[in-house]
Amino acid sequence: DTGVSQDPRHKITKRGQNVTFRCDPISEHNRLYWYRQTLGQGPEFLTYFQNEAQLEKSRLLSNRFSAERPKGSFSTLEIQRTEQGDSAMYLCASSLVVPDTDTQYFGPGTRLTVL
Amino acid sequence: GNSVTQMEGPVTLSEEAFLTINCTYTATGYPSLFWYVQYPGEGLQLLLKATKADDKGSNKGFEATYRKETTSFHLEKGSVQVSDSAVYFCALIKSGTASKLTFGTGTRLQVTL
Repeated sequence: DTGVSQDPRHKITKRGQNVTFRCDPISEHNRLYWYRQTLGQGPEFLTYFQNEAQLEKSRLLSNRFSAERPKGSFSTLEIQRTEQGDSAMYLCASSLVVPDTDTQYFGPGTRLTVL
Repeated sequence: GNSVTQMEGPVTLSEEAFLTINCTYTATGYPSLFWYVQYPGEGLQLLLKATKADDKGSNKGFEATYRKETTSFHLEKGSVQVSDSAVYFCALIKSGTASKLTFGTGTRLQVTL
């Protein structure tokens, strides 16, 4: 078991560009979560999937953000027309609904810098 | 809604000192409670958890007890090491839902020789 992986680890982009991040959960984990963490703050929930179904989206997830998990395995988070306020660490986590229902395992994160 | 309040840092301790990081929560129902740790340049790692009142979570010398009457989940360690220097996050989830975690703002711990 290699843990949750995220790619890229760092992304620098110019304002107005689109970016896409990828998350590979722990094998066989059926829930996948995205969080955003800004400097000096705790992670904030963005969205989560069970298999390929997106079950909940935070109001933080503006219409410039879209997340997918097309085959119920890896997930992508796309940000269109990036703004400087999007600069943050984007964290992915996964969990197995049964038996350890509530425990989420996090990846190393993707740090986004919007210039 | 759910919320978590942690003591503000940074907390600076000498090696072998006793550590307490306070965490209180507000939640509907009975949440599961967690402590996560974030070492410099790394992602969040689960440190310990407790899923019901009076449960004690423990790992690597750290402990926290789920206190329903005071809605608290304070993190303690009897003797800290330099390698414990990190940011510690308290978090909760509505039990049995596998839904979103709600985090506190984090407490930075700096341990010196």
